Amino acid sequence: QKEVEQNSGPLSVPEGAIASLNCTYSDRVSQSFFWYRQYSGKSPELIMSIYSNGDKEDGRFTAQLNKASQYVSLLIRDSQPSDSATYLCAADSSGNTGKLIFGQGTTLQVKP
Amino acid sequence: DAGVTQSPTHLIKTRGQQVTLRCSPKSGHDTVSWYQQALGQGPQFIFQYYEEEERQRGNFPDRFSGHQFPNYSSELNVNALLLGDSALYLCASLGGTTEAFFGQGTRLTVV
Repeated sequence: QKEVEQNSGPLSVPEGAIASLNCTYSDRVSQSFFWYRQYSGKSPELIMSIYSNGDKEDGRFTAQLNKASQYVSLLIRDSQPSDSATYLCAADSSGNTGKLIFGQGTTLQVKP
Repeated sequence: DAGVTQSPTHLIKTRGQQVTLRCSPKSGHDTVSWYQQALGQGPQFIFQYYEEEERQRGNFPDRFSGHQFPNYSSELNVNALLLGDSALYLCASLGGTTEAFFGQGTRLTVV
């Protein structure tokens, strides 16, 4: 099993819908998780970090962490075409020193 | 407040050559990590520098080396370039937390 796994997609949702992006992780990573957004040809941009079980909300974004199921998700409410990008899930792999292990990313397409 | 800056933005090199990429972290950040991102893949950790020392290293050969200067800026050096080294090279800076902020990247093409 890879340390961090994501479905590559593409995930297609209509404008205004909720987009749900999922990520699973192995025991080999620590308990800090991050979601990055990456537009084509650009660098990753940090959207959310989550460290504790439960939900964390920031504007239209909600990150969810379920440690029992080793599962992290990102919900995007009221999806906009400008949200179309690749979303990367990352975990800190070495005791919170900032060594990140990334999934391969999920491509999100928001259709007008 | 300047973010993470990398130079150059694009680079074309020939197999066997050597390349140096540069990174300046965000103001107040003292840790720099380097990542390699192949097309269609997530970034892969190369190494991390803190207090001018390599603190952690990923699964990359010794052809990949680095340096951190007293002002926290960093260089990534790659020797004996291979075609497979073609990728987007990303620098991330951290400042006392685990949140990493990326520069715009350097697109390296090896021909």
